Amino acid sequence: DGGITQSPKYLFRKEGQNVTLSCEQNLNHDAMYWYRQDPGQGLRLIYYSQIVNDFQKGDIAEGYSVSREKKESFPLTVTSAQKNPTAFYLCASLGFTGTGTGELFFGEGSRLTVL
Amino acid sequence: GEDVEQSLFLSVREGDSSVINCTYTDSSSTYLYWYKQEPGAGLQLLTYIFSNMDMKQDQRLTVLLNKKDKHLSLRIADTQTGDSAIYFCAESHRNNNDMRFGAGTRLTVKP
Repeated sequence: DGGITQSPKYLFRKEGQNVTLSCEQNLNHDAMYWYRQDPGQGLRLIYYSQIVNDFQKGDIAEGYSVSREKKESFPLTVTSAQKNPTAFYLCASLGFTGTGTGELFFGEGSRLTVL
Repeated sequence: GEDVEQSLFLSVREGDSSVINCTYTDSSSTYLYWYKQEPGAGLQLLTYIFSNMDMKQDQRLTVLLNKKDKHLSLRIADTQTGDSAIYFCAESHRNNNDMRFGAGTRLTVKP
C-alpha cells in the first residue's frame, strides 16, 4: 500500500549524540516535510523539501539537518546542537485532493527521548 | 507570525454532538483544514474548506467558516468513542509550505 514510513518509532539518545530519523514515501510526491510536535503546541515546521536535491529551513531548523538525495527519502538528523530534542517527530508529504487542494500525508511518527 | 488557536480539551458523552472551535489571524488564508490524530500516530486529513465557502458537510462532519470573524468550527454529530482523538485546525495559502497548525483539541468521548 502507498504511504509514508517513519523509523524508528521510538528512539533514545544520550546527550551529545546525533541521531537520524528515517522517512520513506512511495506516493511519488515531490514535496516532503518534517514537523516537531510538543504537548500543547501545534506542529512546528523544521525543514521541507519541494524537490530532490533541494530543501529549505522551516521555523525551527536550528540543531537539525536534512538531505534529499532521492525522491522517496527525506531523513532528518537531530544533532547535539539541538537543545531540547525530546519530542514527537512527524514526516509528511504533499499530495492533492480531487479538487486540487493540497493534502499532507503523515507518517506514524518517531518519538525521540534524550536520556 | 500568524496564529491558529484552539482550546486544548473537550469532553462529551457518546451520542452527543461535539463542536471544536478554531480561530486564525491570517485573513488571506485560502484553505482551512481539520486533521485527526489518534494516539501515537500521524495526522489524517478529515476535511477541508475553501475560504470562499461558509459551510461544508460530509456525513457526520459539518464545517462552518465565519470569514469575517476568522472562526472555523468542526461539528461531529452522534459522537462515538472511536472519535476520541486530537483534532488539529490548520490554514494555508496556495503554497502549502506555509501551513499553520493549531495546538490541537483533545476530544474525549465518554460512554
